[in-house]
Amino acid sequence: QQQVKQSPQSLIVQKGGIPIINCAYENTAFDYFPWYQQFPGKGPALLIAIRPDVSEKKEGRFTISFNKSAKQFSLHIMDSQPGDSATYFCAASSTGGFKTIFGAGTRLFVKA
Amino acid sequence: DTAVSQTPKYLVTQMGNDKSIKCEQNLGHDTMYWYKQDSKKFLKIMFSYNNKELIINETVPNRFSPKSPDKAHLNLHINSLELGDSAVYFCASSQEGAGPGVNEQFFGPGTRLTVL
Repeated sequence: QQQVKQSPQSLIVQKGGIPIINCAYENTAFDYFPWYQQFPGKGPALLIAIRPDVSEKKEGRFTISFNKSAKQFSLHIMDSQPGDSATYFCAASSTGGFKTIFGAGTRLFVKA
Repeated sequence: DTAVSQTPKYLVTQMGNDKSIKCEQNLGHDTMYWYKQDSKKFLKIMFSYNNKELIINETVPNRFSPKSPDKAHLNLHINSLELGDSAVYFCASSQEGAGPGVNEQFFGPGTRLTVL
């Protein structure tokens, strides 16, 4: 029940393409769903996050779509660039839980 | 200016040795964490501390002992190192609670531990 399942494991797109990464969760107590971006040799950094009271959130070229009934959420990267090549983690946590569960990560490569 | 710092960045040691990793955050957060990232990039929580108190211990072997002398510091001591302990260890901090801006985790740069 604590798992967050992320797919695909890896993704290769052309520059300008729209990679989509999907995540699913079981625990309905989760109320915060962030996406983290990690470059090689660095720690993960928050990219964008959503709470379950909205179905979509957009920040620049990054959009989270959230489907509460299906317990799924996804990250879309519009007009992807080679600089977006990184590992992306979805995650979930509940307020006061002091614990964030991370998906397994998706390695994205954007070809120039 | 560094929000979450860790030392050392690299640690190479022999099996059976004892080592420590230090972490400090200057964000004023009340919660700190240790994560282990294995070679497949899987990020797994080990411990979380809130206001210096241990909240989460994710069935980590007793050889791992975290210590939080104050809210800004969370150190990790590892006894009798094993080959399987080789990984990147990340410290992180957050401000827990409800409302905008909370729960976001700020990660340190990581400590790459190699056990020979």
